[in-house]
Amino acid sequence: NAGVIQTPRHKVTGKGQEATLWCEPISGHSAVFWYRQTIVQGLEFLTYFRNQAPIDDSGMPKERFSAQMPNQSHSTLKIQSTQPQDSAVYLCASSLVRGLAEQFFGPGTRLTVL
Amino acid sequence: QQKVQQSPESLTVSEGAMASLNCTFSDGTSNNFRWYRQHSAKGLEVLVSIFSDGEKEEGRFTAHLNRANLHVSLHIREPQPSDSAVYLCAVSIHAQGLTFGLGTRVSVFP
Repeated sequence: NAGVIQTPRHKVTGKGQEATLWCEPISGHSAVFWYRQTIVQGLEFLTYFRNQAPIDDSGMPKERFSAQMPNQSHSTLKIQSTQPQDSAVYLCASSLVRGLAEQFFGPGTRLTVL
Repeated sequence: QQKVQQSPESLTVSEGAMASLNCTFSDGTSNNFRWYRQHSAKGLEVLVSIFSDGEKEEGRFTAHLNRANLHVSLHIREPQPSDSAVYLCAVSIHAQGLTFGLGTRVSVFP
């Protein structure tokens, strides 16, 4: 089991450019979560999908951020017109859809906006 | 909105001494509590998961939950230098997105 796979591991964009981050959940896991980690704010929940359907996006910034899960094998987080304050490590986690199942985290994508 | 606070911010302990970390949460309906460890530039490793009041032990790590006091703690028995890391408390209601504290940085010296 390769665990949760996130690509790329590092991404550098210029201010105003678009960034797309990819997540491949553990095979068989039907819940996918996105988080963002910064020094100041710590680890913050962004959004989550269950069986590919968006369930809770209460942590997503209202503008420029969007997430999709087009099939069971991957989810994407897209940031349009990136700004320096978007610089962070973006973490994806997956879990079984069963009771209080544990979330398994990927290694993260470090996004740097210049 | 759930608030999770951890104390202390940092902790230095000698190898073999007990380390105790604290976490308070604001939503008394929370029922999903996890302690994670994060080594520098590495991923999150779950240490202990606890869902009801009382104690849960996983190896050298023991979590204590008291939902009436909105408090969950982590105790590390016989800490080793390799346990030096940031320890994160995470809380949720059911299987929703987790709310994390800012962490406690633990340093273990021989």
